[in-house]
Amino acid sequence: GAGVSQSPRYKVAKRGQDVALRCDPISGHVSLFWYQQALGQGPEFLTYFQNEAQLDKSGLPSDRFFAERPEGSVSTLKIQRTQQEDSAVYLCASSLRSAVLLEKFFGPGTRLTVL
Amino acid sequence: AQSVTQLDSQVPVFEEAPVELRCNYSSSVSVYLFWYVQYPNQGLQLLLKYLSGSTLVKGINGFEAEFNKSQTSFHLRKPSVHISDTAEYFCAVSSGGYQKVTFGIGTKLQVIP
Repeated sequence: GAGVSQSPRYKVAKRGQDVALRCDPISGHVSLFWYQQALGQGPEFLTYFQNEAQLDKSGLPSDRFFAERPEGSVSTLKIQRTQQEDSAVYLCASSLRSAVLLEKFFGPGTRLTVL
Repeated sequence: AQSVTQLDSQVPVFEEAPVELRCNYSSSVSVYLFWYVQYPNQGLQLLLKYLSGSTLVKGINGFEAEFNKSQTSFHLRKPSVHISDTAEYFCAVSSGGYQKVTFGIGTKLQVIP
């Protein structure tokens, strides 16, 4: 596709449910990032992949959060036993290579609401 | 550690007036600085970036920013705003050549007709 796509765009979960958020990066992009954007805040780094390797997961807030990118393209962010504080917009971004100098292209985000 | 402070949460400005959105950063090493724009229901889009060289950086849609190392600032400016510039603007920093980009909390620019 022309840009980064994310699905679903909106997700409502009951507290305690597991959710899976999908990111389709731009074809051929090596690097993939996940960010969490709480209401009224800027995006906060969660994790970073280079191809299928997860090189940094220091931003994942707890062990309930898990991300994977098994074939180096599509990525899934999974949140187990969701809590109300997990409510946020989850942003995915990709870039052509791993250099920080390269532009990151962001998807529209998935808005997760935990009731 | 790196951090970004955006001093104004909301900036109202009349159409065709100039605007400045303020950003200050802190980092113990050399930095790369970015401004992103987020239109409603859309993803973040890069406006401009400072990597090295000239301290005045020009971006898309007529925006520019000036890197000031002594004041640790990277303010965004536009001489004449349009209604279509209404959006949220995020300043971001990456330091030490690291992939991790730290964003500010954003400034909502509201252009008034």
